[in-house]
Amino acid sequence: ELKVEQNPLFLSMQEGKNYTIYCNYSTTSDRLYWYRQDPGKSLESLFVLLSNGAVKQEGRLMASLDTKARLSTLHITAAVHDLSATYFCAVDPGGATNKLIFGTGTLLAVQP
Amino acid sequence: DTEVTQTPKHLVMGMTNKKSLKCEQHMGHRAMYWYKQKAKKPPELMFVYSYEKLSINESVPSRFSPECPNSSLLNLHLHALQPEDSALYLCASSQDGTNYGYTFGSGTRLTVV
Repeated sequence: ELKVEQNPLFLSMQEGKNYTIYCNYSTTSDRLYWYRQDPGKSLESLFVLLSNGAVKQEGRLMASLDTKARLSTLHITAAVHDLSATYFCAVDPGGATNKLIFGTGTLLAVQP
Repeated sequence: DTEVTQTPKHLVMGMTNKKSLKCEQHMGHRAMYWYKQKAKKPPELMFVYSYEKLSINESVPSRFSPECPNSSLLNLHLHALQPEDSALYLCASSQDGTNYGYTFGSGTRLTVV
């Protein structure tokens, strides 16, 4: 059974600082997705990573995928308050039917 | 149209009621999904339809009954729910191969009283 774990579960950081969220998964996969969720809202797609070594950047966020280590990272550069949200990674384990299995989530609070 | 539309946005129902959640997409996606999300938890997969056929049921209780009338529509019929079934229900769709990711609807906030 695929397990997807994120670290840390809660992150409080100051504006202007850098930090990284880690996503580890337990079985082979080369399809990993990052989502953002604001309180009471749905999931907003941030990044789609489909191969080993994939790196994508959008604004202050950069995501990478290492399929050999079964690890993805979401790096935050010079955090701003607007980035406060819960971030989920999700893995598609492949097989006959595509599906997403979500990580435990990281609640990010950026303090002024 | 690049959206997944879910209705209603909010639903309050009694334990003896029968209600349905609806999900619609017009992106030509061939896979559609139901997820359940409790507060402060990640979404949990419930059902997957692929080419209008049920391909995954994650051991969901029979009081939840999915239906896929056509490639654009996905329903979730609810009957005799329990208060612990209160949650955010999310619908998603994806193109075959998922190279473009999964698109989620805005969700239905369900409260069972």
